[in-house]
Amino acid sequence: DIVMTQGALPNPVPSGESVSITCRSSKSLLYSDGKTYLNWYLQRPGQSPQLLIYWMSTRASGVSDRFSGSGSGTDFTLKISGVEAEDVGVYYCQQGLELLTFGSGTKLEIK
Amino acid sequence: EVQLVESGGGLVQPGRSMKLSCAASGFTFSNYGMAWVRQAPKKGLEWVAYISYDGGSTYYRDPVKGRFTISRDNAKSTLYLQMDSLRSEDTATYYCTTVRTTTFDYWGQGVMVTVSS
Repeated sequence: DIVMTQGALPNPVPSGESVSITCRSSKSLLYSDGKTYLNWYLQRPGQSPQLLIYWMSTRASGVSDRFSGSGSGTDFTLKISGVEAEDVGVYYCQQGLELLTFGSGTKLEIK
Repeated sequence: EVQLVESGGGLVQPGRSMKLSCAASGFTFSNYGMAWVRQAPKKGLEWVAYISYDGGSTYYRDPVKGRFTISRDNAKSTLYLQMDSLRSEDTATYYCTTVRTTTFDYWGQGVMVTVSS
């Protein structure tokens, strides 16, 4: 299986700061169709996960433009510009190239 | 508005069976692949099973192969997960999700399954 490894944040983060959450895959997620099959989700406390970013950098419908995704074939970053209280939760990356595996999650707390 | 409502969870003894259902509305169910994703208490997310839009293809995570069966009834817009020979490690909240090109688009609220004697 492809292993997804996520970095940690220096919690708590001051409100209004920008943060970057990292994710690394054990295999390139760039497919022959030119798309990179890396997705990002947010699970707020007590809620179901929600899709934020798909194909590494495309925002899902209704997602704030404060969220942006970038990366290469194996190293990825989710940037949140100016964190707000509603951004609190656990962020997961997920690869969609072979089977479907998630990273272990990155918790965001706000000061 | 897309709605996915899971049901059928609860407490079950090890070795017994349980069947989860997911009622879908707000979209054309028969056009979408569907999946079950689970989350053990205080743990991360784990994909469990996937079924194609027409039920013709199914895939399972290794630990559940041969024990779990995913199915769907497009006429009823309902997804199912039959879970047999349940183990304590299957204890989790199970989420029903839509799948679009290996992306989990929409999620239900989840249903808790506890496997314990």
